[in-house]
Amino acid sequence: DGGITQSPKYLFRKEGQNVTLSCEQNLNHDAMYWYRQDPGQGLRLIYYSQIVNDFQKGDIAEGYSVSREKKESFPLTVTSAQKNPTAFYLCASSTNSPGLAGGVDEQFFGPGTRLTVL
Amino acid sequence: GDSVTQMEGPVTLSEEAFLTINCTYTATGYPSLFWYVQYPGEGLQLLLKATKADDKGSNKGFEATYRKETTSFHLEKGSVQVSDSAVYFCALSVPGDMRFGAGTRLTVKP
Repeated sequence: DGGITQSPKYLFRKEGQNVTLSCEQNLNHDAMYWYRQDPGQGLRLIYYSQIVNDFQKGDIAEGYSVSREKKESFPLTVTSAQKNPTAFYLCASSTNSPGLAGGVDEQFFGPGTRLTVL
Repeated sequence: GDSVTQMEGPVTLSEEAFLTINCTYTATGYPSLFWYVQYPGEGLQLLLKATKADDKGSNKGFEATYRKETTSFHLEKGSVQVSDSAVYFCALSVPGDMRFGAGTRLTVKP
């Protein structure tokens, strides 16, 4: 079955540690995204990548880093510079639909990783 | 910039009640519009979408019509069930990105 997997489901981090969240997709999608979701709030874009070896900062990239060495994988590292990292992190992927405005097609989401700083 | 605004929740309804969740958007060009649903502790799932003006998206009894004149994409369902309890997100697609509303939490009571 095609889909997106994220691991781990729950992650605990001590202050000052870097942690890496995994995201893998077998949908053959070019574009991948990382979002942060805080309780009772919508999704905020951290980073996105439209093609291998290229990625762009989203609205809240500070304190995060990503890589896109393979089409299927888009790991997110939460660094010690991120002052308030406790949140639910969602990875998504999509095809890039040209459309009239060049908008993306629907995004497929992984099940999420809940990160808690101890 | 491009954005969506959806009605604040939470919304609490009795089973079989009529549901409307309002969504309006601001965008240049011709965005595609989406409704996603998120069940507790899970990622988002696409519920329905519309790619051009006057299109109606529908799925599982939910409907939404792309209204360019009012820049709206309101979600409706004629008779909600307890299993529809979730958070609903309106979204629009812009070049290289998707913009989401803040989400509306729906609780349906038996």
